[in-house]
Amino acid sequence: DAGVIQSPRHEVTEMGQEVTLRCKPISGHDYLFWYRQTMMRGLELLIYFNNNVPIDDSGMPEDRFSAKMPNASFSTLKIQPSEPRDSAVYFCASSRGGDNEQFFGPGTRLTVL
Amino acid sequence: GENVEQHPSTLSVQEGDSAVIKCTYSDSASNYFPWYKQELGKRPQLIIDIRSNVGEKKDQRIAVTLNKTAKHFSLHITETQPEDSAVYFCAARDSGGGADGLTFGKGTHLIIQP
Repeated sequence: DAGVIQSPRHEVTEMGQEVTLRCKPISGHDYLFWYRQTMMRGLELLIYFNNNVPIDDSGMPEDRFSAKMPNASFSTLKIQPSEPRDSAVYFCASSRGGDNEQFFGPGTRLTVL
Repeated sequence: GENVEQHPSTLSVQEGDSAVIKCTYSDSASNYFPWYKQELGKRPQLIIDIRSNVGEKKDQRIAVTLNKTAKHFSLHITETQPEDSAVYFCAARDSGGGADGLTFGKGTHLIIQP
């Protein structure tokens, strides 16, 4: 199993641009989570899906952030427009069941200039 | 929602000594407490977890204890080795309202001195 796959691994963009982060969960996992990691705030849950349905998006910082999961093997996190304070590492994680180990992807390091 | 406090933020121990990291949580409904290890530039990886129906769990040099009454749990690493150097995160799963996401502590940077 290839594990959770994320792309791109690094993204550098300018303020105001749209950014799309992508995630492929482990096959057979029915939960998908998006986390953001910064030095100041640590690891924060942004949103999670169960069977492709968004369950809790209370961690999404503002309307500039949106996430979708059109099918069981793909999810996107979009920031439009991006701002310098969005610079962080964004992790996607998946699990089989909501109460089991979450496997993290390698992360996307986002830099907004 | 859940709030997880983690101490210390940095811990330096001599190789071969033990290390203890402590966490407290706020939501008495939380029932799952994993610990993740993150090496520099890498993803968090689960090293051990404990559920609320168990008070202690051990896996070789690593153990976790849980006190539900006091709402705190701890990670114990014995006979520390250089490869134990990393940032360790505790987390709690807030089961209230069916929430499944993890709330993480701020992390502990463990440094193993040779």
